[in-house]
Amino acid sequence: DAGVTQSPTHLIKTRGQHVTLRCSPISGHKSVSWYQQVLGQGPQFIFQYYEKEERGRGNFPDRFSARQFPNYSSELNVNALLLGDSALYLCASSLAIRGGNEKLFFGSGTQLSVL
Amino acid sequence: AQTVTQSQPEMSVQEAETVTLSCTYDTSESNYYLFWYKQPPSRQMILVIRQEAYKQQNATENRFSVNFQKAAKSFSLKISDSQLGDTAMYFCAFMRAQGAQKLVFGQGTRLTINP
Repeated sequence: DAGVTQSPTHLIKTRGQHVTLRCSPISGHKSVSWYQQVLGQGPQFIFQYYEKEERGRGNFPDRFSARQFPNYSSELNVNALLLGDSALYLCASSLAIRGGNEKLFFGSGTQLSVL
Repeated sequence: AQTVTQSQPEMSVQEAETVTLSCTYDTSESNYYLFWYKQPPSRQMILVIRQEAYKQQNATENRFSVNFQKAAKSFSLKISDSQLGDTAMYFCAFMRAQGAQKLVFGQGTRLTINP
């Protein structure tokens, strides 16, 4: 079975542009979460979506938005890119909406560079 | 808000030795989960071990075990008989039992296993 897949793997954008990152969860998983990992730091939670609804939001500006589609895949959108948005963006999927009993499965991320 | 602190930015040991990674956390929650994740150069976060706060028994997974001290809010990872493949970044993480499936990560410890 395929794991969590993210596309693209690498992306270069310039300041002020918009970017869309994509994530396909493991088959049967209805929850998708997004994390931002700046170089040298641990990942930070951005969003969780479950059954196409936002279930959690981290401390990120409104320039960050996401959505989940009927097939449970997800997009993360970032508007008006800043240099500080350069990071590895990780997607994770799981069966459950909450709790640590259900394991989170991570993708290999999208490396975004903003010039 | 919850915080997770890893005080060892880097560690290095010889193959077959035992190594312990430290982690402390701060929370007012009574029920929660603690995790250790491994991030190799492939960038994918891999779950190493999980501990439920209401369980007093320390979790073990083959060569990996934890020392969970709830009162001290300490959660260390012991790797026995270390192998070259254990070389990676290791992140300690916290998740509330209720609410969104949100992981709060520490800053990470870079572990190098030398031949």
